[in-house]
Amino acid sequence: DTAVSQTPKYLVTQMGNDKSIKCEQNLGHDTMYWYKQDSKKFLKIMFSYNNKELIINETVPNRFSPKSPDKAHLNLHINSLELGDSAVYFCASSQGTGEVGYTFGSGTRLTVV
Amino acid sequence: GDSVTQMEGPVTLSEEAFLTINCTYTATGYPSLFWYVQYPGEGLQLLLKATKADDKGSNKGFEATYRKETTSFHLEKGSVQVSDSAVYFCALSAGGFKTIFGAGTRLFVKA
Repeated sequence: DTAVSQTPKYLVTQMGNDKSIKCEQNLGHDTMYWYKQDSKKFLKIMFSYNNKELIINETVPNRFSPKSPDKAHLNLHINSLELGDSAVYFCASSQGTGEVGYTFGSGTRLTVV
Repeated sequence: GDSVTQMEGPVTLSEEAFLTINCTYTATGYPSLFWYVQYPGEGLQLLLKATKADDKGSNKGFEATYRKETTSFHLEKGSVQVSDSAVYFCALSAGGFKTIFGAGTRLFVKA
């Protein structure tokens, strides 16, 4: 059983479209995250949710809207996609504040053309 | 703010060579420190961690010691294999539901 699963794995779309990425974890963790990894492998946190409550929103454009229907799911919706949104998006989960480490999903490679 | 600095790559080694990847950090308080590994096309995997000063994290032959006096957490392995080729990330968590990652160091191991 996959611990943190993201779908889709690849997403190619045109500028201006709206798309969603889904994430689910079966570890019983209470905190979930979205990270963006750019082409140079740099990882930057976008959002973190604890028990479905938004805790961190790191200067991400309003076009990005996370939704956590329950503790096991954290989805990311992106409106009006831009070329600069092309990246790999990772979902992760942890227990509590993350001081014992994260479990990552395998990533969603988003390409905006 | 909190930050992590790790040595730039790529690092290229021959099989069975000794590996060191340097990592230093800046943080208020007493963060937990981590090394994650990312194999091509995959997500990050937690490799090892240390939660307090002088702790040594170890896994799969890799080791790192939490050095508060030098604010460092260098990754070492005595004999690397081709299968160790990956990107390695040093990271810290000081609570607050956020982990800060270094820029990553790519390791190539030649047979």
